[in-house]
Amino acid sequence: DIVMTQSADSLAVSLGERATLNCKSSQSVFSSSNNKSYLAWHQQKPGQPPKLLIYWASTRESGVPDRFSGSGSGTDFTLTISSLQAEDVAIYYCQQYYSNPFTFGGGTKVEIK
Amino acid sequence: QAQLQQSGPGLVKPSQALSLTCAISGDSVASDSTAWNWIRQSPSRGLEWLGRAYYRSKWYNEYAPSVKSRITINPDTSKNQFSLQLNSVTPEDTAVYYCARGYALHSWGQGTMVTVSS
Repeated sequence: DIVMTQSADSLAVSLGERATLNCKSSQSVFSSSNNKSYLAWHQQKPGQPPKLLIYWASTRESGVPDRFSGSGSGTDFTLTISSLQAEDVAIYYCQQYYSNPFTFGGGTKVEIK
Repeated sequence: QAQLQQSGPGLVKPSQALSLTCAISGDSVASDSTAWNWIRQSPSRGLEWLGRAYYRSKWYNEYAPSVKSRITINPDTSKNQFSLQLNSVTPEDTAVYYCARGYALHSWGQGTMVTVSS
């Protein structure tokens, strides 16, 4: 199994400041056949299902605010919230969909400082 | 944007089968460009992908090794839905179960809390 590690369990950021979340996979999730990394980021608020923010490591899902951006390739990935808003308080999960079983990180909880 | 609506019981007895259904609107279960997944979430195991079904001229299934001997995901084209059956459940199968569409899980159902208890 590919193990997804999110180094920070929690992150406290001031409103309007940048939040940087990291995710590392135990094996590469990059495919040379299409030059894409099979990495997604999901946001989960209390009592709600997860919501997809980013796929292919850096493609924003339709309707997701442009303050959310994804970067990285291979085994190291980053989700950046450029200017934290109150509604961004949530748990963020990375997920690989490169190989079965498709695995999730343990999540990073983003809070307001 | 596809929407997914889950249904099924919230309480299952140990050793019995867990059965959930996910009704699809805005897409087709027989689409040849997507996949239909089941995922669960518990405090002890986090988010855990269980398996998926997809259609590419014929139906295919992929299951997580951790549940492969106990799981079946079936599409129902007449009702445009798909189902999860997990056999021989134990209290460790207590979790919130979600259905989801796509390879990167683009759309999620609302979730069903399933408790395994006598």
